Amino acid sequence: GDSVTQMEGPVTLSEEAFLTINCTYTATGYPSLFWYVQYPGEGLQLLLKATKADDKGSNKGFEATYRKETTSFHLEKGSVQVSDSAVYFCALSGDSWGKLQFGAGTQVVVTP
Amino acid sequence: DVKVTQSSRYLVKRTGEKVFLECVQDMDHENMFWYRQDPGLGLRLIYFSYDVKMKEKGDIPEGYSVSREKKERFSLILESASTNQTSMYLCASSPGARPHSPLHFGNGTRLTVT
Repeated sequence: GDSVTQMEGPVTLSEEAFLTINCTYTATGYPSLFWYVQYPGEGLQLLLKATKADDKGSNKGFEATYRKETTSFHLEKGSVQVSDSAVYFCALSGDSWGKLQFGAGTQVVVTP
Repeated sequence: DVKVTQSSRYLVKRTGEKVFLECVQDMDHENMFWYRQDPGLGLRLIYFSYDVKMKEKGDIPEGYSVSREKKERFSLILESASTNQTSMYLCASSPGARPHSPLHFGNGTRLTVT
């Protein structure tokens, strides 16, 4: 079945550092790919998405490119802020109902 | 903005109790989902519904049931709560039959079973 693997955390960074969170997937067909973010005490919010190969999703300074050849969707941000401290989830949607298969989540801690 | 509201942020129940978790969405979405979130496991799908009175099992339905009598409301039922059901439960909704549509999540219910 479909699955998502993302790097384990926690990832601890200083403010203004470069952030990368690796995400790879296994799926049949042509899934849509998503990054969600969960701030402390809240539910998940969509951060960005890509629906086909070579699409780049971007939002709030974060970017991720749908790489079909490497089955990857790595999340990057050039300069993180303390407010980016959260748990980040990579997810894929491979069926017509839009059910999401999630990775385990990566906690990111940004220190001043 | 889509709003998905879960009735309780925190619940504490005893082993063997019947537990109801309620979720309401205000955007006329056809699809609704229940996930549980556990550290190191991410989110796992318990049940989903694509229409009123319709339900489908997700990846971990054992010990749970659901009810969808109205389009806006999707209830998760723990028939006899057990300690291994202590978890964060997240409800979500999305428009029907659109695989690229993101899910909209509620803030979660943290359930503790003692």
